[in-house]
Amino acid sequence: NAGVMQNPRHLVRRRGQEARLRCSPMKGHSHVYWYRQLPEEGLKFMVYLQKENIIDESGMPKERFSAEFPKEGPSILRIQQVVRGDSAAYFCASSPPSRGRGTGELFFGEGSRLTVL
Amino acid sequence: GQSLEQPSEVTAVEGAIVQINCTYQTSGFYGLSWYQQHDGGAPTFLSYNALDGLEETGRFSSFLSRSDSYGYLLLQELQMKDSASYFCAVRAGGATNKLIFGTGTLLAVQP
Repeated sequence: NAGVMQNPRHLVRRRGQEARLRCSPMKGHSHVYWYRQLPEEGLKFMVYLQKENIIDESGMPKERFSAEFPKEGPSILRIQQVVRGDSAAYFCASSPPSRGRGTGELFFGEGSRLTVL
Repeated sequence: GQSLEQPSEVTAVEGAIVQINCTYQTSGFYGLSWYQQHDGGAPTFLSYNALDGLEETGRFSSFLSRSDSYGYLLLQELQMKDSASYFCAVRAGGATNKLIFGTGTLLAVQP
């Protein structure tokens, strides 16, 4: 059973360009979470999605950032007009349907490291 | 607001026992998780406490006191491979696994 797959693993963009990060959850998982991590810092929650629905985007910057999880295909985190401050590691995590209660367990991918020049 | 406090660094020797504390202030609380991260790689799940008390999983144990908004991760028989960052995380949503992470503790295990 393949784990959470993220690509690209490394992405370099110039200021003003767009970055698209992809995440395929584990098989059977319908919940996807995106987190951002700056060097030597914790993981900051960005957005929580289920298929075709954004459930909680309270951690997403209001401008330039968007996320989707279509019926078919991977979840996409899109950053428009990137700035140097967007340089970070972006982690995707997935979990199975909670059936009414959570387990505190997320399955993380290896992350996508964005560098903005 | 939401905040989780952990020590930034801990150093211990092989074979020793180390405790990493976590205090939290969050608007919702459904449980406390612990994760390990090596060298900026994928964080991996270690344990979860929804109720007060101690949970043991091999060399690792985790404790929760909801009345004190406090928990800890206990690592026994430390090995060099335990050198990593450790994060506590609060499960803040009722039926979801949305987690709010602490700032992380860098554990250095010395020979």
